[in-house]
Amino acid sequence: DAKTTQPNSMESNEEEPVHLPCNHSTISGTDYIHWYRQLPSQGPEYVIHGLTSNVNNRMASLAIAEDRKSSTLILHRATLRDAAVYYCILQHTGNQFYFGTGTSLTVIP
Amino acid sequence: DSGVTQTPKHLITATGQRVTLRCSPRSGDLSVYWYQQSLDQGLQFLIHYYNGEERAKGNILERFSAQQFPDLHSELNLSSLELGDSALYFCASSNRDSYNSPLHFGNGTRLTVT
Repeated sequence: DAKTTQPNSMESNEEEPVHLPCNHSTISGTDYIHWYRQLPSQGPEYVIHGLTSNVNNRMASLAIAEDRKSSTLILHRATLRDAAVYYCILQHTGNQFYFGTGTSLTVIP
Repeated sequence: DSGVTQTPKHLITATGQRVTLRCSPRSGDLSVYWYQQSLDQGLQFLIHYYNGEERAKGNILERFSAQQFPDLHSELNLSSLELGDSALYFCASSNRDSYNSPLHFGNGTRLTVT
């Protein structure tokens, strides 16, 4: 399994930006970087994904390092509804998704 | 709402029993994935089907089996249940057999084995 490393937990103040880091030093050239989040008592929710270039969507931005060995999920203005466990995942050729332990984000009002 | 429907939402059964969990993927999605989430472990990939064919197996026990039917819904069968099988079981679907296709998850079936 391609391994990703994330901090166990992070805190952010409401309405401030949040940068969630992920290390994936064993990434291969065809692995996509995906981010999902899981709110309590719900299934994981797709946030964003990318291959080499930075990506933006309505939920977040994904910044990918030039060597692709790390990435950062950016929530531009954290809200209380963003409190969740965030998973950084590498999607292999063959379409396998392996989830790690993720980062538990606490948003402080 | 992800569009993925899982039934039942809750299931309580005894050790040694057999249960079937059902998943209806989003309209048009051909891929179905099953995951298990226990309290002490993260999301464990179990199995992936694409258009009725098994594509990949993860940490799925021999007591567990799955299939995807012609109408694309999928069932996960768990037999000879043990206390340790108590967990949330999630189904996810995607619209392609490709590694550039996000997963859409259902809200899971919570299985309690007593």
